[in-house]
Amino acid sequence: AQKVTQAQTEISVVEKEDVTLDCVYETRDTTYYLFWYKQPPSGELVFLIRRNSFDEQNEISGRYSWNFQKSTSSFNFTITASQVVDSAVYFCALSEKVETSGSRLTFGEGTQLTVNP
Amino acid sequence: DSGVTQTPKHLITATGQRVTLRCSPRSGDLSVYWYQQSLDQGLQFLIQYYNGEERAKGNILERFSAQQFPDLHSELNLSSLELGDSALYFCASRNSGTDTQYFGPGTRLTVL
Repeated sequence: AQKVTQAQTEISVVEKEDVTLDCVYETRDTTYYLFWYKQPPSGELVFLIRRNSFDEQNEISGRYSWNFQKSTSSFNFTITASQVVDSAVYFCALSEKVETSGSRLTFGEGTQLTVNP
Repeated sequence: DSGVTQTPKHLITATGQRVTLRCSPRSGDLSVYWYQQSLDQGLQFLIQYYNGEERAKGNILERFSAQQFPDLHSELNLSSLELGDSALYFCASRNSGTDTQYFGPGTRLTVL
């Protein structure tokens, strides 16, 4: 079975600090997708990024950046110059093929990020 | 706005009752997924439908059932409700091209 581990349960930073959220995964699939989702206090799950297992290029989008390393099965997420609005729970997820033609996401337990002014 | 709609947003009911949660996927998406988010279990996959057919089952209780209709909307039926069924229930639809699941706003179920 697949597994996603987010070892950091809670992180608290002061505004403008950089923060990295760790994600480690286990899978037997040779092709897979990794995702990050954000869950703000309002409760919805917001898609942030998808990474294909074949693509190990790091990605930067504004203040967000992602570091995917297949050799260590890690997919870490960094927020640069954090802002109060970044306060949320962040989930790392791994896609998994299920049964003959199904699929599902396996989620980590989430990291609660609090950015203090 | 993900484009996935869920109704109702909140639902309060009593133990032993039955409720139905509704989901409409994004335009063009054929797959619908249901997930349950609770404090003790985290985000758990329940079931997947693709174009009206069940494709995958996760940790879904026998008291729960789902279906996807010809217009692609889906319903999750929860019966004989227990206190432990109180949770946030998410529906997601998947873009086949990118394999990305987009989530609806969720239905918060409270069983008293």
